[in-house]
Amino acid sequence: GAVVSQHPSRVICKSGTSVKIECRSLDFQATTMFWYRQFPKQSLMLMATSNEGSKATYEQGVEKDKFLINHASLTLSTLTVTSAHPEDSSFYICSAPGWARRTEAFFGQGTRLTVV
Amino acid sequence: GDSVTQMEGPVTLSEEAFLTINCTYTATGYPSLFWYVQYPGEGLQLLLKATKADDKGSNKGFEATYRKETTSFHLEKGSVQVSDSAVYFCALTGGGADGLTFGKGTHLIIQP
Repeated sequence: GAVVSQHPSRVICKSGTSVKIECRSLDFQATTMFWYRQFPKQSLMLMATSNEGSKATYEQGVEKDKFLINHASLTLSTLTVTSAHPEDSSFYICSAPGWARRTEAFFGQGTRLTVV
Repeated sequence: GDSVTQMEGPVTLSEEAFLTINCTYTATGYPSLFWYVQYPGEGLQLLLKATKADDKGSNKGFEATYRKETTSFHLEKGSVQVSDSAVYFCALTGGGADGLTFGKGTHLIIQP
């Protein structure tokens, strides 16, 4: 089946630095990628939708300048957390839609970000 | 807009017990319905799905039936194992640009 690979799985960074998270579709082309944030023991919150060749669409309340999303190619989308602060610590998950409308999505393994 | 409501946990059961996790939804049109499972520190894995009314999704002993009349997609398993301990998410998609709509997740704990 389709595979989405997300790296790194864990990252610890200092406050004020930036962290890049990569999400790759390994055996298919993903023109769209969803980025989620998950707080402990809570559901997934959609942050933004990246689209290859155009600007990302951000959900209300998500800071575009803090969470930079780039969909560089049909197989790669990146999320950069800029000037990270401890409150940005969270579990971030990317997801690519299925082959057709109304089908399941494919998820990356997730990235545990800890800002110290 | 679309929404998914599922029972909140944690749900604690003994091994070999019968499991039901309730899920109801509101959506326009005819969504596809899914159950995803998340093991600690990992992303989400598709457990099962149903794309139209009265369809039954099944996998690894888990089952869920798409009930349009009650707008429900309850997850069941006849005999749970310790390895089933995880967080389970009910989700739907209408095929639109917003992707999946998730429930809040149900933490399942199976004790030996």
